[in-house]
Amino acid sequence: SYELTQPPSVSVSPGQTATITCSGDALTKQYAYWYQQKPGQAPVLVIYRDSERPSGIPDRFSGSSSGTTVSLTISGVQAQDEADYYCQSRDSSGNFVVFGGGTKLTVL
Amino acid sequence: QVQLLQSGAEVKNPGASVKVSCKASGYTFAGYYIHWVRQAPGQGLEWMGWINPNNGATNYIQKFQGRVTMTRDTSISTVYMELSSLRSDDTAVYYCARDPSAFGGVKGYFDYCGQGALVTVSS
Repeated sequence: SYELTQPPSVSVSPGQTATITCSGDALTKQYAYWYQQKPGQAPVLVIYRDSERPSGIPDRFSGSSSGTTVSLTISGVQAQDEADYYCQSRDSSGNFVVFGGGTKLTVL
Repeated sequence: QVQLLQSGAEVKNPGASVKVSCKASGYTFAGYYIHWVRQAPGQGLEWMGWINPNNGATNYIQKFQGRVTMTRDTSISTVYMELSSLRSDDTAVYYCARDPSAFGGVKGYFDYCGQGALVTVSS
């Protein structure tokens, strides 16, 4: 089955830049999406189609893509950004949705 | 505003079935696919499948084939996810999530999520 690989954890100090990567073979053909999930809450979409930002998401959140790897970058990290972040895409056929394992962002 | 309101927490015995509902409001129900995603305690997100509320077409991941049934009732803008033959590892929060398909084909991501419904499977 198709997999997306994320680092389990990333730590950053307030005001610094956090980058979370996600790799998978089908990412050359399929868009990537990123969700933020805080404890006890539902996931929230923060990036769609690799690099688009939904309305209401701060512009310190950005996304990029290069080959089989996509990245979520959070500039000027704030304490409120501490959460789990999940990348998501589709398999190469486009029929099935796949999530990465999630990355816990810790703000030191 | 778009809202997805899910039914409440359930406790089920192993081998039983559970049916979780997701009532949509704030948009045209038939125009947007609904996905179901689950999250076991302390674990990541797992996609289960989708339903097209317009015609009832479904697409399930193979892992759940034969155990999951997604249906809809257009008269009350509600979709349902029923999971049968429950096991302890089905204990999870189950989310419904709207696909921004806007009367087109499924886009394969989620712009709105319900609040989640905890299903606990325990004897």
